[in-house]
Amino acid sequence: GDSVTQMEGPVTLSEEAFLTINCTYTATGYPSLFWYVQYPGEGLQLLLKATKADDKGSNKGFEATYRKETTSFHLEKGSVQVSDSAVYFCALTDSVGGGADGLTFGKGTHLIIQP
Amino acid sequence: DVKVTQSSRYLVKRTGEKVFLECVQDMDHENMFWYRQDPGLGLRLIYFSYDVKMKEKGDIPEGYSVSREKKERFSLILESASTNQTSMYLCASSRNQPQHFGDGTRLSIL
Repeated sequence: GDSVTQMEGPVTLSEEAFLTINCTYTATGYPSLFWYVQYPGEGLQLLLKATKADDKGSNKGFEATYRKETTSFHLEKGSVQVSDSAVYFCALTDSVGGGADGLTFGKGTHLIIQP
Repeated sequence: DVKVTQSSRYLVKRTGEKVFLECVQDMDHENMFWYRQDPGLGLRLIYFSYDVKMKEKGDIPEGYSVSREKKERFSLILESASTNQTSMYLCASSRNQPQHFGDGTRLSIL
């Protein structure tokens, strides 16, 4: 079945540091890929998405590129802020089933940004 | 903006009780989902529904059932609660992708 592997945290960085959170996947079809973010005490919010190979998703200074050849969707940000402290989830859905399919999630990466 | 509302943020129940978790969305979405979130395990899909009165098992349906009598409402039912069902439960809805999530219900079974 489908699976998502992401680096486990916590990941601790200083403010203005460069961020990379690795995500690799296994899927039988042609999945759509997502990054979701969960701030303390809240549900998940979509951060960015990519639906086909070589697509780049971006939002709030975060970027991720859909790499089919390496089955990866790494999340990057050039300069992190304290307000970026949260748990980040990489997820996929197999596009064969269309929008009704559930998401397959990684285990989440807890990011802590220190002033 | 899409609004997915879960009826309770925190809930405490006893083993053996029948527990209902309610979720309502306001965007006329066809698809609705229930996940549970546990530390070190991420989110796992319990059940989903792509239409009224339709339901499909997810990855971990054992011990749970669901009800979707109206398009906007999707209920998760713990038939006889057990301590291993203590968890954070998240509801989501979508038309295609992406899914939009509620704030979650933290359920404790004593």
